[in-house]
Amino acid sequence: DAGITQSPRHKVTETGTPVTLRCHQTENHRYMYWYRQDPGHGLRLIHYSYGVKDTDKGEVSDGYSVSRSKTEDFLLTLESATSSQTSVYFCAISLSIVTDNEQFFGPGTRLTVL
Amino acid sequence: EDKVVQSPLSLVVHEGDTVTLNCSYEVTNFRSLLWYKQEKKAPTFLFMLTSSGIEKKSGRLSSILDKKELFSILNITATQTGDSAVYLCALRTVNNDMRFGAGTRLTVKP
Repeated sequence: DAGITQSPRHKVTETGTPVTLRCHQTENHRYMYWYRQDPGHGLRLIHYSYGVKDTDKGEVSDGYSVSRSKTEDFLLTLESATSSQTSVYFCAISLSIVTDNEQFFGPGTRLTVL
Repeated sequence: EDKVVQSPLSLVVHEGDTVTLNCSYEVTNFRSLLWYKQEKKAPTFLFMLTSSGIEKKSGRLSSILDKKELFSILNITATQTGDSAVYLCALRTVNNDMRFGAGTRLTVKP
């Protein structure tokens, strides 16, 4: 298994509070991704990063921000959590886009916003 | 908008049956198409397809891409209860964005 961890694994929070999810990798992969997974929608890309301090928006980026100050860490922040952000969040990594590479996924974080 | 549609949404079969899962897309230009298996946790990689008409095979699973007709199929022969999972199809776009389908939930009964 690729060395990807996510923390926390479960979190319950209240509407309006800030939340930060962490993705940590030990593979030195350049590309990192944040997805959310909801019933009926599959996986949807929130943000991705192609290097330290280089990030870009995905399909459903509104209400989320990210930061990548080190190769191994990719943080996802919900500035003011809403109930619609209740979801399972997956981090993924990939080695390159110069040659096609699959993505390896972390174990997921289940976030509940009350 | 780039769109990936999987069918059927769910499927129930018995052990030993052969199943074909479909993935059609509307993305006009992409780098690769990927298949994943998701049980209770994170998706795990099955296949990556980049060229049309070339079958990828791993044990009882195989997959092929048709770029002309804009679809891919995932075949599973001699299904086992351990094949029960959600199967996800995804496209990696030229911008390295990833677009996933909603998945097909396969249930294999003994």
